[in-house]
Amino acid sequence: GAVVSQHPSRVICKSGTSVKIECRSLDFQATTMFWYRQFPKQSLMLMATSNEGSKATYEQGVEKDKFLINHASLTLSTLTVTSAHPEDSSFYICSARDGTYNEQFFGPGTRLTVL
Amino acid sequence: GNSVTQMEGPVTLSEEAFLTINCTYTATGYPSLFWYVQYPGEGLQLLLKATKADDKGSNKGFEATYRKETTSFHLEKGSVQVSDSAVYFCALVTSGTYKYIFGTGTRLKVLA
Repeated sequence: GAVVSQHPSRVICKSGTSVKIECRSLDFQATTMFWYRQFPKQSLMLMATSNEGSKATYEQGVEKDKFLINHASLTLSTLTVTSAHPEDSSFYICSARDGTYNEQFFGPGTRLTVL
Repeated sequence: GNSVTQMEGPVTLSEEAFLTINCTYTATGYPSLFWYVQYPGEGLQLLLKATKADDKGSNKGFEATYRKETTSFHLEKGSVQVSDSAVYFCALVTSGTYKYIFGTGTRLKVLA
């Protein structure tokens, strides 16, 4: 199946700093990518939908100025957590939709810890 | 709103035991239903899916049937293996969108 990678897999940062997470589709072009957040023992919650070349669409309750999403190419989307705080500590997972086969593929996730 | 409810884990079974992980959903319209599996340190992998009522999804010995009357999509396997140890997520996508709604996940541990 198609592969989606995320980098980094783990990141620890100090409160107030910004962290960038990359999501790449390695062997297909993804017109749409999605960013999810998962708290311990909870569901994956959709944060935003990212379409290549256009602004991301955020779900209700997600601060767009805090979670900056850029989808500059058909194989790369980035999520930047700005001015991170301990409550932003979570597991962030991206998925990429292969428009040809109308299927979504998920990345392995990035664990963010804010001290 | 739309939601997915899964049985809480962890589920611990002996090898070759029968597995059932319950999943029920609430949705408007006619959603597609999925089971994903996440092995340690890896991404979510599609295990099986069903797109309409009475469809049965199956893969690697796992099965689930889309039951509209009970709004359920329970995952079953007749004989689990140690290699099936993972976290299993039930999910739905409503028609016309690509947005997944996930259950909380159920951790399965299979002992040799």
